[in-house]
Amino acid sequence: DSGVTQTPKHLITATGQRVTLRCSPRSGDLSVYWYQQSLDQGLQFLIQYYNGEERAKGNILERFSAQQFPDLHSELNLSSLELGDSALYFCASSVEPTAFRETQYFGPGTRLLVL
Amino acid sequence: ILNVEQSPQSLHVQEGDSTNFTCSFPSSNFYALHWYRWETAKSPEALFVMTLNGDEKKKGRISATLNTKEGYSYLYIKGSQPEDSATYLCASQNTGNQFYFGTGTSLTVIP
Repeated sequence: DSGVTQTPKHLITATGQRVTLRCSPRSGDLSVYWYQQSLDQGLQFLIQYYNGEERAKGNILERFSAQQFPDLHSELNLSSLELGDSALYFCASSVEPTAFRETQYFGPGTRLLVL
Repeated sequence: ILNVEQSPQSLHVQEGDSTNFTCSFPSSNFYALHWYRWETAKSPEALFVMTLNGDEKKKGRISATLNTKEGYSYLYIKGSQPEDSATYLCASQNTGNQFYFGTGTSLTVIP
């Protein structure tokens, strides 16, 4: 158990809908990262937050957005969902913003299925 | 877009054999190289973070080296055990703090 929690574990929804995935980092970690793993692609970095502010952006679609709250939990919002958004979404956390001395600790993931 | 490549894609070894795999990455804007171990139905688990050219890290029977000038890292497993069976992922972190993952090397250790 990495100490990172993600909810829900599974989510089934329809195309065009909007969902919110939630992540709570390890106690003391200030940085949160979001990743997507779809069947036809490897792990893709989406976005990173540090202490409430966006730090780095990866291959995140405009239909997706994220934020980190004062209590450091983070939410990833996915809207106008398409079949291709079906994937496993991981959240990871680390102490420092650049994960330099400490690497990232991954949560168990949220499996999203868009029908 | 960074292109991180790992080879081989999969590997089957006998218990007790030593093995190694490669991660290659573009060396421009390089900041750090991460290795992860990912077992089926679990989350990636961090193994090493390396930043400097020539870095070597070791954890038990697993070790890794880094060459930032030529853009590659090796992961070595000495005396493979069945519990080492997993996918080994590498990720290159650039100076913009973006992470780019390889597709992994799937290792199966046959008892």
